[in-house]
Amino acid sequence: EAQVTQNPRYLITVTGKKLTVTCSQNMNHEYMSWYRQDPGLGLRQIYYSMNVEVTDKGDVPEGYKVSRKEKRNFPLILESPSPNQTSLYFCASSRVGGRPDNEQFFGPGTRLTVL
Amino acid sequence: QQQVKQSPQSLIVQKGGISIINCAYENTAFDYFPWYQQFPGKGPALLIAIRPDVSEKKEGRFTISFNKSAKQFSLHIMDSQPGDSATYFCAANPSGAGSYQLTFGKGTKLSVIP
Repeated sequence: EAQVTQNPRYLITVTGKKLTVTCSQNMNHEYMSWYRQDPGLGLRQIYYSMNVEVTDKGDVPEGYKVSRKEKRNFPLILESPSPNQTSLYFCASSRVGGRPDNEQFFGPGTRLTVL
Repeated sequence: QQQVKQSPQSLIVQKGGISIINCAYENTAFDYFPWYQQFPGKGPALLIAIRPDVSEKKEGRFTISFNKSAKQFSLHIMDSQPGDSATYFCAANPSGAGSYQLTFGKGTKLSVIP
């Protein structure tokens, strides 16, 4: 089954304790992206990656890091989480290639609470 | 700068009614306009999409209307059902370079009441 998986689905942590949210896709997609979803603010892009070893900032990258060492994986790293990073996080992937109708496939989400 | 403006933020419709969600954009390079549907506890999923060379696209009870000159597009849900209760995001992206980058509206939470 074609899918994007994220782990963990739920996480409660404390300020300053480093954490990683994993994302994996099995569709051989070049493009992967991380979003955060907050009430009234919609989906805001954190980072994205066009391919292995190619990453770029989205609209709200502060406080986050990413890496793309393998095509299928795109982990999101919070080195020193703060309460304002409490949010619902989504990973997404799609093909790349000129045509605009590249559907983005989203993971099930990770709800993060930073105390 | 919000490039895709979506309204309303929330919408309550009675079962059997028509739900209408509107979006407007400024960037004339946008060439594809998808709508994503998100159920509680799930990630968004593509619902329906339109290219600007047509003014309307219909899939079952869901219709996109597109007005290129006004740079506006809307989602109509006919005969709305409680199972349609979800958050809907309009989006846009360009052709060519950057076609993979979706710009999302802020979302509309639709509640269909029996």
